[in-house]
Amino acid sequence: KQEVTQIPAALSVPEGENLVLNCSFTDSAIYNLQWFRQDPGKGLTSLLLIQSSQREQTSGRLNASLDKSSGRSTLYIAASQPGDSATYLCAVSPLTGANSKLTFGKGITLSVRP
Amino acid sequence: DTEVTQTPKHLVMGMTNKKSLKCEQHMGHRAMYWYKQKAKKPPELMFVYSYEKLSINESVPSRFSPECPNSSLLNLHLHALQPEDSALYLCASSQVTAGVRYNEQFFGPGTRLTVL
Repeated sequence: KQEVTQIPAALSVPEGENLVLNCSFTDSAIYNLQWFRQDPGKGLTSLLLIQSSQREQTSGRLNASLDKSSGRSTLYIAASQPGDSATYLCAVSPLTGANSKLTFGKGITLSVRP
Repeated sequence: DTEVTQTPKHLVMGMTNKKSLKCEQHMGHRAMYWYKQKAKKPPELMFVYSYEKLSINESVPSRFSPECPNSSLLNLHLHALQPEDSALYLCASSQVTAGVRYNEQFFGPGTRLTVL
């Protein structure tokens, strides 16, 4: 059974800092990995999707990497801003069976201090 | 249009009420999903529709009844709910044809449900 872990559960950094959020998964047979952002009481916003054949994806100040063999992904946020404060979740979909069944990590709650 | 909309935003209902949650997308996605999310927990998959047919039911109690009337709409009918069903209900959609964005799920803002 796939398990997705995100540690630490919470992170507080000063504005302007570059930071890395980690995600690990136990079964490397994944179809893709998706990073989401969730603001309190809101829905999930898709940030980046990495196909299993890819190593990284970039969008603006965000860069996500995937190392399938070691079961790890990182989300790099450059020059963090208070508006980046939110919970960040990673989710993987299985290679076989129902590709649509995402397994989520519990998320990392990020606070960027002005 | 890359938006998934959900109505209502908030819903309060008694245990004997019948209500419905609605979800709509106009991205041409042929897979649609219902998730339940409790506070400080990740979303839990409830149902998946593919080409308007139910493809996954994660052993959800029958007091939750999904419906996909067409490729853009997804409903969740609620009846005889329990207080522990109070949660944020999220709808999502994704494309099912092969391509770069295959299986990328786009979520709506959710419906905050309170069962009294």
